[in-house]
Amino acid sequence: GAGVSQSPSNKVTEKGKDVELRCDPISGHTALYWYRQSLGQGLEFLIYFQGNSAPDKSGLPSDRFSAERTGGSVSTLTIQRTQQEDSAVYLCASSLGQHSGNTIYFGEGSWLTVV
Amino acid sequence: QQQVKQSPQSLIVQKGGISIINCAYENTAFDYFPWYQQFPGKGPALLIAIRPDVSEKKEGRFTISFNKSAKQFSLHIMDSQPGDSATYFCAAIVANTGNQFYFGTGTSLTVIP
Repeated sequence: GAGVSQSPSNKVTEKGKDVELRCDPISGHTALYWYRQSLGQGLEFLIYFQGNSAPDKSGLPSDRFSAERTGGSVSTLTIQRTQQEDSAVYLCASSLGQHSGNTIYFGEGSWLTVV
Repeated sequence: QQQVKQSPQSLIVQKGGISIINCAYENTAFDYFPWYQQFPGKGPALLIAIRPDVSEKKEGRFTISFNKSAKQFSLHIMDSQPGDSATYFCAAIVANTGNQFYFGTGTSLTVIP
C-alpha cells in the first residue's frame, strides 16, 4: 500500500480481555516499529523488527505484551489481560531498514480504550 | 534516561510570528535528526530532517538549525499560521543502525489567529 496501514483504528475492550492490533507496513520496508502514545504524551518505544526478527524488545512494558512479524511484512501486537492503563494510541511505523539512514513513516494508529 | 530533551512543552504564538522549538542530545553517535509533525487523531509525519554535516536546512517556512558542538538543534517556523498548530517531535538516530529512533517528549504548538 501507499502508507502504513493499521487496524482496527478504534477498539474498546473490557478489562481482562486480550486484544490484537495489526500493522501492514509500506511495501518493501524491512524495519517495523511499534510505539505507544498516551493522551497528550510523547512516543514510547515498544519494539523494533528487522525482517521477522526483533532485535530490540526493550520497550515492551510487561509480559502481557507481545508482538510478532511474519513474512517480513504484517505485524501483530498482542496485549493479554488488558488493564485500564493500557488505554493509549498504538502507533506502527516502518522504514527501509538499517544501513539506509532513512526516516520512519507512521500509520494513523490504533486507539485502544480499556473499560 | 531521556536521550533527547525537548523544550518547551507547549508554545503559543501569534499568527505571523516565529515559533522556536529546541532539542538537545548527549550521544555524539547520533547522525540523523528528523522533526515530526502530528495533528490530533493522526500519526506523526516527517516534516524536515538534517544531518550533522550542515548547520542549517530550510524547507519553505521551516528551518532546522544545528549546533554540533553544543549538541543542540532547533526547529524554526517562520510566519507561523493557525494551520501549523500541532504537536512537534524532534528525534535522533544513529542512521546506519536503523534501530530505535529516540524521540523528544513533544511540543504542543498553538498559533493564535
